[in-house]
Amino acid sequence: EDQVTQSPEALRLQEGESSSLNCSYTVSGLRGLFWYRQDPGKGPEFLFTLYSAGEEKEKERLKATLTKKESFLHITAPKPEDSATYLCAVQENEKLTFGTGTRLTIIP
Amino acid sequence: EAGVAQSPRYKIIEKRQSVAFWCNPISGHATLYWYQQILGQGPKLLIQFQNNGVVDDSQLPKDRFSAERLKGVDSTLKIQPAKLEDSAVYLCASSLSGGRETQYFGPGTRLLVL
Repeated sequence: EDQVTQSPEALRLQEGESSSLNCSYTVSGLRGLFWYRQDPGKGPEFLFTLYSAGEEKEKERLKATLTKKESFLHITAPKPEDSATYLCAVQENEKLTFGTGTRLTIIP
Repeated sequence: EAGVAQSPRYKIIEKRQSVAFWCNPISGHATLYWYQQILGQGPKLLIQFQNNGVVDDSQLPKDRFSAERLKGVDSTLKIQPAKLEDSAVYLCASSLSGGRETQYFGPGTRLLVL
């Protein structure tokens, strides 16, 4: 069965303090790795899709990278509005399997 | 472009009662998904529709959960009878055609079973 593990479970950073979130996975045939952001009381909001090892994508202060066993979401100089839960999901066949998320808090 | 719509946003029921949730996907999206998200966990797929046919319902507790998408657009998810452990957020998502296409999520329905 697919397994997706995210770490850390929670992360508190000062505004401007860069860091990385980790998503490790075990699937036999990865079709895609997805990153979503989820704010309290809302549905997940799509951020990135990565398809193959070595691929990178960027959006504002976020950059996602992918290796054969894990993905990182790098956050550069975060702002308080970046506070949210970040979910990763892996796709094998048609189905998305989600991790439990990293709850990120940026302190002004 | 309008996103995925869901209603109601909140529902509180007693155990053993029934409840139904409604979802309207993004216009033109053929694939519709229902997920269950328990507090502190990631979403778990319950059922996937391609147009009005079921693609995957392997994790749907069929003794109490049912879902339909009669005209290939809107969908309803029903729980009857509800149990305490069904308390969760029920998320609907849609994608253009399934496969590697991005899934876009609605705001969810928060269910509390007392």
